Amino acid sequence: AQKITQTQPGMFVQEKEAVTLDCTYDTSDPSYGLFWYKQPSSGEMIFLIYQGSYDQQNATEGRYSLNFQKARKSANLVISASQLGDSAMYFCAMREGLGYSSASKIIFGSGTRLSIRP
Amino acid sequence: DVKVTQSSRYLVKRTGEKVFLECVQDMDHENMFWYRQDPGLGLRLIYFSYDVKMKEKGDIPEGYSVSREKKERFSLILESASTNQTSMYLCASSRPTGQSTDTQYFGPGTRLTVL
Repeated sequence: AQKITQTQPGMFVQEKEAVTLDCTYDTSDPSYGLFWYKQPSSGEMIFLIYQGSYDQQNATEGRYSLNFQKARKSANLVISASQLGDSAMYFCAMREGLGYSSASKIIFGSGTRLSIRP
Repeated sequence: DVKVTQSSRYLVKRTGEKVFLECVQDMDHENMFWYRQDPGLGLRLIYFSYDVKMKEKGDIPEGYSVSREKKERFSLILESASTNQTSMYLCASSRPTGQSTDTQYFGPGTRLTVL
């Protein structure tokens, strides 16, 4: 079974509009972390935002916010006031548990390609 | 800033060749990772290492091996390259995760083509 599901392979959004990228996850571990990464055409993965399973509030980083709905196992990324430079692949990812070794692994979704129209 | 570098951005090899992909990080991170990225499949973990000379298999280790002789360097080895190993390869590093907040830092990727 997929641990991380991103159901939108591609999206087109008008510049300056807000955009929501969907992500659902599956885990039975009560302790986990959720990440979003951006991958521009250059190929490098850029960390955007993190949400811990015990965090009471939704994470925010500048124009990025994470809409965390724990009961629904949903961790959607919201980008406000989109810009042309936001065009990229976006990956949702999860780390289960804490500690060393195997707990260091992060599982990635298949990604959403976001294209911003001028 | 954390810097993770990979030896090549683009590489073309022939079937059956032995291929080395090198990754170096400058932040003294204990953990290092090798992923391959294919369209529609996201990133899949090949191997990771949480200390020098230590390694663990990821989700798709078949056809690959790794070497970590020094803390800053993690090498991915394709013993006998095959066409189905044509892919983008990404290296990453991170601190030991005493907390789940520790993100991974990625290199620019190596696009490998096996003919």
